[in-house]
Amino acid sequence: EAAVTQSPRNKVAVTGGKVTLSCNQTNNHNNMYWYRQDTGHGLRLIHYSYGAGSTEKGDIPDGYKASRPSQENFSLILELATPSQTSVYFCASRDRGRDTQYFGPGTRLLVL
Amino acid sequence: DAKTTQPDSMESTEGETVHLPCSHATISGNEYIYWYRQVPLQGPEYVTHGLQQNTTNSMAFLAIASDRKSSTLILTHVSLRDAAVYHCILRVDIASSSFSKLVFGQGTSLSVVP
Repeated sequence: EAAVTQSPRNKVAVTGGKVTLSCNQTNNHNNMYWYRQDTGHGLRLIHYSYGAGSTEKGDIPDGYKASRPSQENFSLILELATPSQTSVYFCASRDRGRDTQYFGPGTRLLVL
Repeated sequence: DAKTTQPDSMESTEGETVHLPCSHATISGNEYIYWYRQVPLQGPEYVTHGLQQNTTNSMAFLAIASDRKSSTLILTHVSLRDAAVYHCILRVDIASSSFSKLVFGQGTSLSVVP
């Protein structure tokens, strides 16, 4: 079973501060994704990556940056956090052979 | 924007078979239908997916209408552990790339009573 881990699991940040959310997968999947989940919107795609060194904008990239320094790690960066970025963030990696995305447990971010 | 429509909630009794409907009236020919489920404080978990033919696995049976405008996830002999939000999702190709993304809707919250 594919394993995707996220850290931290919970985070409280202040408005204007920098926040980094980390994701790690040990399945050697090339494709990785960051989503956010808010009540009334389901999961929405923020950034994705084809592989190490690549990042691409998803559907709602404003206010977020991403970094993929290695096959295993994919980070989501909020340079200047705002209360509207309070949400639950999920990372996923994709098994192209099975055409299936595997999700991490999520990070709950509260921006005060 | 979500491309699928599901009822907000459904209820079932342990041991019964439950049919979870999903409408995707604007689906394109190459878009796959995926189902994931999610319990509180966890990420979505893959259930099944299909393109045109019905599919079955250890978790569920997916029935896809012949015109592909709707599908139904069928769970047999449900238990309390099947209580979750069930997401009906379309896999959409990203233009000018070989990448695809999952477009989530709101999902159906399934409750199971003893």
